[in-house]
Amino acid sequence: GQQLNQSPQSMFIQEGEDVSMNCTSSSIFNTWLWYKQDPGEGPVLLIALYKAGELTSNGRLTAQFGITRKDSFLNISASIPSDVGIYFCAGQRNTGNQFYFGTGTSLTVIP
Amino acid sequence: GAVVSQHPSRVICKSGTSVKIECRSLDFQATTMFWYRQFPKQSLMLMATSNEGSKATYEQGVEKDKFLINHASLTLSTLTVTSAHPEDSSFYICSARGQTSSTDTQYFGPGTRLTVL
Repeated sequence: GQQLNQSPQSMFIQEGEDVSMNCTSSSIFNTWLWYKQDPGEGPVLLIALYKAGELTSNGRLTAQFGITRKDSFLNISASIPSDVGIYFCAGQRNTGNQFYFGTGTSLTVIP
Repeated sequence: GAVVSQHPSRVICKSGTSVKIECRSLDFQATTMFWYRQFPKQSLMLMATSNEGSKATYEQGVEKDKFLINHASLTLSTLTVTSAHPEDSSFYICSARGQTSSTDTQYFGPGTRLTVL
């Protein structure tokens, strides 16, 4: 099935730095979701986006639904050690359709 | 957010035996649940879509006789790995669809680590 292109594949940053990652698709999506997965756990939903141009925050996390509807961005401000994990994006063309997942961004925060 | 549970969290079994994994949506009704398989450091691989009261839809390359899925109620779906072999060892994750008239979201369970000896 289709996979979304997610970048970067991995990031190593210092505690306190800001983080940016993105997800792109060749298709238009009407829903974008961002998840975080800790080792040995299932993905946890962070932010859901349902409208082009939408900017939504969840604490230090901010995600945006790209205007073209072919991309989405996730930013983490002032990173802390517990931000470590793998972040996945997911996109859906229309309500009720399958969700396609990104390849993941592995984040390492150095104290 | 919505809660999805999965049981067991870990299972070790002998080659040739069958293993059943349960996925429950605890605080909402899920007409659709999904089963994924994840290999180390890789993304989620969709195995099948489970619809309440009907047969599951399997992705290409996934053996339906090997991975039996039953979605008997709006809150429970089960995945049975039949005649398990070491190559079936993996992390299996279910998710449940939470859908309204205008939004659609997937909520994941905590996953099941299967080890086949």
